[in-house]
Amino acid sequence: NAGVTQTPKFQVLKTGQSMTLQCAQDMNHNSMYWYRQDPGMGLRLIYYSASEGTTDKGEVPNGYNVSRLNKREFSLRLESAAPSQTSVYFCASKYSNSNQPQHFGDGTRLSIL
Amino acid sequence: QQQVKQSPQSLIVQKGGISIINCAYENTAFDYFPWYQQFPGKGPALLIAIRPDVSEKKEGRFTISFNKSAKQFSLHIMDSQPGDSATYFCAARRRNTPLVFGKGTRLSVIA
Repeated sequence: NAGVTQTPKFQVLKTGQSMTLQCAQDMNHNSMYWYRQDPGMGLRLIYYSASEGTTDKGEVPNGYNVSRLNKREFSLRLESAAPSQTSVYFCASKYSNSNQPQHFGDGTRLSIL
Repeated sequence: QQQVKQSPQSLIVQKGGISIINCAYENTAFDYFPWYQQFPGKGPALLIAIRPDVSEKKEGRFTISFNKSAKQFSLHIMDSQPGDSATYFCAARRRNTPLVFGKGTRLSVIA
């Protein structure tokens, strides 16, 4: 099993460009999450999808949009990238309504010049 | 407002020593408290978790101590090894809501 797969692993963008980060999980999880990780800031939730067909804002949603394409896939879109969005982005998934662990992908390292 | 406060930000421990990382929370509705371990270039992975109905949980060299009245919980790593060098995150959640993470502690275990 691959677990949670994120693509791409690295990306450099220019300010104003758009980009979609892809995430897919093969564990039949209901819930999926997007976090950003910045030095000294920990993991901050951008958006999440508690189940297929629903999405909700997290702590830092501004400048991002998400799409829960199906049960397996949850994408994060930057419509007009800004240098403040330079970060490492992590996707995670878990079974809903339980204390089963969240499984994380290995991240997308995004630099915006 | 930071819901989970983690300290210290960084920690250096001698091999064989005890590493201690502390977290404090405000929301008394939290009912699940996990610790995640992250190695460079990788995503975080669940290390150990506790629910507030117990005061301690031990798995191998890793122990969570939980103080409900003080709204604090801590991770103890006994006999710390260089392979334990990583970033550790505490987190908390109330039922059916996303995890809230602390800011992380970078642990370095030196020989």
